Amino acid sequence: DQQVKQNSPSLSVQEGRISILNCDYTNSMFDYFLWYKKYPAEGPTFLISISSIKDKNEDGRFTVFLNKSAKHLSLHIVPSQPGDSAVYFCAASEGGNTGKLIFGQGTTLQVKP
Amino acid sequence: DSGVTQTPKHLITATGQRVTLRCSPRSGDLSVYWYQQSLDQGLQFLIQYYNGEERAKGNILERFSAQQFPDLHSELNLSSLELGDSALYFCASSGPPVWGIEQFFGPGTRLTVL
Repeated sequence: DQQVKQNSPSLSVQEGRISILNCDYTNSMFDYFLWYKKYPAEGPTFLISISSIKDKNEDGRFTVFLNKSAKHLSLHIVPSQPGDSAVYFCAASEGGNTGKLIFGQGTTLQVKP
Repeated sequence: DSGVTQTPKHLITATGQRVTLRCSPRSGDLSVYWYQQSLDQGLQFLIQYYNGEERAKGNILERFSAQQFPDLHSELNLSSLELGDSALYFCASSGPPVWGIEQFFGPGTRLTVL
């Protein structure tokens, strides 16, 4: 059972435009959501997170939106840059007595110059 | 550089063999996690240790085991290897004081079982 889903395997955008990556989840007990970026041959790198009690968190060019009623979150990158080309993973945490993360399958973003 | 180190970077072995993957967490982090990423898949949580004790288990096979040592480094042991065990294995660390939300990942170990 896939509790965190990223339904778009890939996304291509033009440099300077907005990139929107989407993520859906099924477990209403998740209390934190995170986005990670991964380049080839490297480990995932933390980008931004959001608590389930918020609906928006912004950090520079990156903004994450959370819609709890729809069990949906999205990552907006504005403006997109070629260096943003990578695989983006959405992850969720149940909190409680463990910090384990449940990951989506990832979306490959290509930003064209 | 996340501060999390993993060795070896690559490992090629044969079916039926046993291997050990090693992870050193960031300085001061007490929690270590192991994840498996198979081809074109997301990361699957295997196991978490906190300050030497097992904290949580995911879909970890009985052929796999892990431990965290007093110096906080961790080892993941994979035995009776099968072709399907070929994957990227990532270690991550977090904390303190207990465990932070953000986990810092190492560069991974690519295991190839022939």
